[in-house]
Amino acid sequence: QQPVQSPQAVILREGEDAVINCSSSKALYSVHWYRQKHGEAPVFLMILLKGGEQKGHEKISASFNEKKQQSSLYLTASQLSYSGTYFCAHGGGGADGLTFGKGTHLIIQP
Amino acid sequence: NAGVTQTPKFRVLKTGQSMTLLCAQDMNHEYMYWYRQDPGMGLRLIHYSVGEGTTAKGEVPDGYNVSRLKKQNFLLGLESAAPSQTSVYFCASSLLRAESEAFFGQGTRLTVV
Repeated sequence: QQPVQSPQAVILREGEDAVINCSSSKALYSVHWYRQKHGEAPVFLMILLKGGEQKGHEKISASFNEKKQQSSLYLTASQLSYSGTYFCAHGGGGADGLTFGKGTHLIIQP
Repeated sequence: NAGVTQTPKFRVLKTGQSMTLLCAQDMNHEYMYWYRQDPGMGLRLIHYSVGEGTTAKGEVPDGYNVSRLKKQNFLLGLESAAPSQTSVYFCASSLLRAESEAFFGQGTRLTVV
């Protein structure tokens, strides 16, 4: 089952903060975050692993609540380049790839 | 460093025609994946491979076949294309399973008329 992302879309002014949430109905081993710009491939941002290890982007942070099976992505002091669609994806620990959410559209205005 | 390369980038097929999409990676990754992306649906896993000579079904495998004869290549085949297969197809590879980042190709935009 796909993870559920919220909000579906958000419009911000440059410099404002954003939070994107992701929840899953299955036990999670890892949560991934990717950003995709229009017409381009998804680009890796962050991995959060069960047990607390986090690997990823220097200007973007995230949290992972294993018990609640939820993750949040925090974009601080957003820049115009942050615009795009953000996807969370979960991995169950097996070899069956990632299951992606439907995405959150983020628009940053000057 | 090329990363993940998909061929072709665009293709238009007639209903019933067949074609093969090629994915090549130069990072020596064991794991490779094919996803399709449709508006409002995110990315959905079609098939994946955990190493040379292995393949497995993902979430939406019907109408597709795959092969991984060489470690660096992962082929996606459409035997008899249908309009429902109009989509953007992404190939990805990763070093580990769900514990490492996935590197994506630039995508193939397929239209079936």
